[in-house]
Amino acid sequence: GAVVSQHPSRVICKSGTSVKIECRSLDFQATTMFWYRQFPKKSLMLMATSNEGSKATYEQGVEKDKFLINHASLTLSTLTVTSAHPEDSSFYICSASEDRNNQPQHFGDGTRLSIL
Amino acid sequence: AQKITQTQPGMFVQEKEAVTLDCTYDTSDQSYGLFWYKQPSSGEMIFLIYQGSYDEQNATEGRYSLNFQKARKSANLVISASQLGDSAMYFCAMREGYRIGNQFYFGTGTSLTVIP
Repeated sequence: GAVVSQHPSRVICKSGTSVKIECRSLDFQATTMFWYRQFPKKSLMLMATSNEGSKATYEQGVEKDKFLINHASLTLSTLTVTSAHPEDSSFYICSASEDRNNQPQHFGDGTRLSIL
Repeated sequence: AQKITQTQPGMFVQEKEAVTLDCTYDTSDQSYGLFWYKQPSSGEMIFLIYQGSYDEQNATEGRYSLNFQKARKSANLVISASQLGDSAMYFCAMREGYRIGNQFYFGTGTSLTVIP
């Protein structure tokens, strides 16, 4: 089945650091990938839609300069949290689906980001 | 209005019993897809089952079945013969249309606990 790999699974770093999270579709090509943020015991909150070869589409309230998204190939999208602060601490998870109709989103295992 | 509503924040079920998790949706589109995902405490999102709006038969995948009532706009998940490993958060999701880039709308989730 379709597999999405997300790396790293956990990051602990100091305030002011920039953190890059990678999302790869391992056995299929994904024109579109999605980035979500999830707070404890809450649902997934869509942050942005990552489009291969073009600019990402950000949801209202999500700072595009804070959360940089690059989708340079059909199998890789990256989310960079720039100058991270403690309030950016969260669980970030990406998803992608095969470029065919009626396909589910397949999720990476998520990244737990802790900013000290 | 919420696209996806899950009214049961928490559910308990005895091991080996069946349980139904409720999901209602709101859309004016004729074409849409409904999905259920499981999220264990480890955080990964596991795709369980899919139902298309034009599918006349209820979807089934092993112990999972989807009770699709189009007129009521409900897509309840039925888990038969519950196992301890079924304890997790369950999210209902919908994609309007079949376009690959269309976002998924997620419900707030139901926390299922299976009691031995």
